[in-house]
Amino acid sequence: KNQVEQSPQSLIILEGKNCTLQCNYTVSPFSNLRWYKQDTGRGPVSLTIMTFSENTKSNGRYTATLDADTKQSSLHITASQLSDSASYICVVSGRGSTLGRLYFGRGTQLTVWP
Amino acid sequence: KAGVTQTPRYLIKTRGQQVTLSCSPISGHRSVSWYQQTPGQGLQFLFEYFSETQRNKGNFPGRFSGRQFSNSRSEMNVSTLELGDSALYLCASSLEGRALETQYFGPGTRLLVL
Repeated sequence: KNQVEQSPQSLIILEGKNCTLQCNYTVSPFSNLRWYKQDTGRGPVSLTIMTFSENTKSNGRYTATLDADTKQSSLHITASQLSDSASYICVVSGRGSTLGRLYFGRGTQLTVWP
Repeated sequence: KAGVTQTPRYLIKTRGQQVTLSCSPISGHRSVSWYQQTPGQGLQFLFEYFSETQRNKGNFPGRFSGRQFSNSRSEMNVSTLELGDSALYLCASSLEGRALETQYFGPGTRLLVL
């Protein structure tokens, strides 16, 4: 069964600290993995998209890594800010030429305290 | 460019009724996808439309249907509403729905079924 598991379920950190969110998946064959940020009451916003051949991709203070062999990805947030408080969702796409079937993790709820 | 818009933003219905939700994609985007988000299940893929045709479909009952118009605007319909249909319904658009394209999400329609 194709699945995407994220950990931790929730995380509280102090402003300025770094944190790492995890995503493990069993989707096969694999096409790409995306990380989204979803603020409360809003739609998700794309942070990164990685194919199986990419190991790391950055978007400002966000850095995603991918190990396609172990089917693991992580999202590292550097020097956290209050505005980073949100749900971070890992999404895996099966192989195909279109967006097709997407598999979603349940998200990690990050809270940044001042 | 204006972002993805969804109407209405909030909706209250009773069991057994039907509901139609609307999504206007970003200008020039031809692929529109629909998702259901609940606290218990997270994000789940409903279907994707491209050029007025349903191209991909998730595992939802036939009560969930949709269509896309020639201007790429899309509607989603849920008939015979059940309490479990209460959720945030998100629409996302991309240029052609290719595997590595960025999807842009709307703010969602929050549906409450009483």
